[in-house]
Amino acid sequence: SQTIHQWPATLVQPVGSPLSLECTVEGTSNPNLYWYRQAAGRGLQLLFYSVGIGQISSEVPQNLSASRPQDRQFILSSKKLLLSDSGFYLCAWSPGQGAEKLFFGSGTQLSVL
Amino acid sequence: AQSVSQHNHHVILSEAASLELGCNYSYGGTVNLFWYVQYPGQHLQLLLKYFSGDPLVKGIKGFEAEFIKSKFSFNLRKPSVQWSDTAEYFCAVDSGTYKYIFGTGTRLKVLA
Repeated sequence: SQTIHQWPATLVQPVGSPLSLECTVEGTSNPNLYWYRQAAGRGLQLLFYSVGIGQISSEVPQNLSASRPQDRQFILSSKKLLLSDSGFYLCAWSPGQGAEKLFFGSGTQLSVL
Repeated sequence: AQSVSQHNHHVILSEAASLELGCNYSYGGTVNLFWYVQYPGQHLQLLLKYFSGDPLVKGIKGFEAEFIKSKFSFNLRKPSVQWSDTAEYFCAVDSGTYKYIFGTGTRLKVLA
């Protein structure tokens, strides 16, 4: 069966520090991969999505970037965190063929101080 | 650009009351529509989905939703809510490009 792993669960970082959140999917191949940010009153904001290795679509211009170095690995990064980057980050995947539901990870609560 | 609007941000109901949560989207072409639910302390999970065919779709736990193309709507309904339905509900749209856009969510609280 397919599983999605996202870590760390919580992270406290100072302003200006770098960020790396990792997400991996097991039990499937060529998944579509997503990074969302969930904030109260704003729902789930799509940040990045990827339909293949090295293919990244950015939805919101901001201080973050994403990379997909392997088929089932999706990384969210920042070179210098801002206070406004605080939030709850969710990784998700869906099967690559056709429109299907999303499977979500457990999320990372990021606090930038 | 696609967008999804959920009109009710917070809803409080008593047990056995009927529920209807609104969802409207902006996209003129063919869409796939979803409702997700997030129970306290749990992951987001799919409640129901519409791809094509019968515009009235039934999901888990007695929920249903109706796709009205002329109104660009996909409202979620349940005839009689239970305390265990307390959760946050998200409507989502995909225009076939694998880009799932979510609404702002509705927090439902059911009073026992």
